[in-house]
Amino acid sequence: NAGVTQTPKFRVLKTGQSMTLLCAQDMNHEYMYWYRQDPGMGLRLIHYSVGEGTTAKGEVPDGYNVSRLKKQNFLLGLESAAPSQTSVYFCASKESGTSTYEQYFGPGTRLTVT
Amino acid sequence: TQLLEQSPQFLSIQEGENLTVYCNSSSVFSSLQWYRQEPGEGPVLLVTVVTGGEVKKLKRLTFQFGDARKDSSLHITAAQPGDTGLYLCAGVRGSNYKLTFGKGTLLTVNP
Repeated sequence: NAGVTQTPKFRVLKTGQSMTLLCAQDMNHEYMYWYRQDPGMGLRLIHYSVGEGTTAKGEVPDGYNVSRLKKQNFLLGLESAAPSQTSVYFCASKESGTSTYEQYFGPGTRLTVT
Repeated sequence: TQLLEQSPQFLSIQEGENLTVYCNSSSVFSSLQWYRQEPGEGPVLLVTVVTGGEVKKLKRLTFQFGDARKDSSLHITAAQPGDTGLYLCAGVRGSNYKLTFGKGTLLTVNP
């Protein structure tokens, strides 16, 4: 199992450009999450999904959109990138049920917006 | 609004010393998790504590959940250079298992 993978690993955008970050998991997990990590801020939840075809807003959703067309994939889109979106983005997944709370994280995507 | 206050933010110690990291909140969480993150990688779960007053041990690491389920601590005994990393506490809230993270403690253990 590859676990949770993210593409790309690095990306540089100019202000106003758009891009999509891809998260894929091969563990058949129902729940998927997108976080951003900024220095001194910890991780903050952007959007999440509780199953295929569903999405919901997290703590800092403005400027981002998401889609979960397939259970194994969770896409994060930036329609018009801003320098404030420079960050490291992490995707995570979790299996359904109450027997475990563990979220499995991908290796991250480092995004710089100039 | 940062719901989880983690302290200290930075900690640099010598190999063999003991240390404690604290995670405090005014909110009650259904459970609390501790993650460790190394540079260039995603966080990896160390432990989940669920019951108020619960104590869990993982080799030289001891985790405690407060009786009121609002705070937690991580104690490392005889720290080693391999313990170096960013330690994050995260509270679980709601039926969708959303995590609220503290800002993290960057631990450096010097040989």
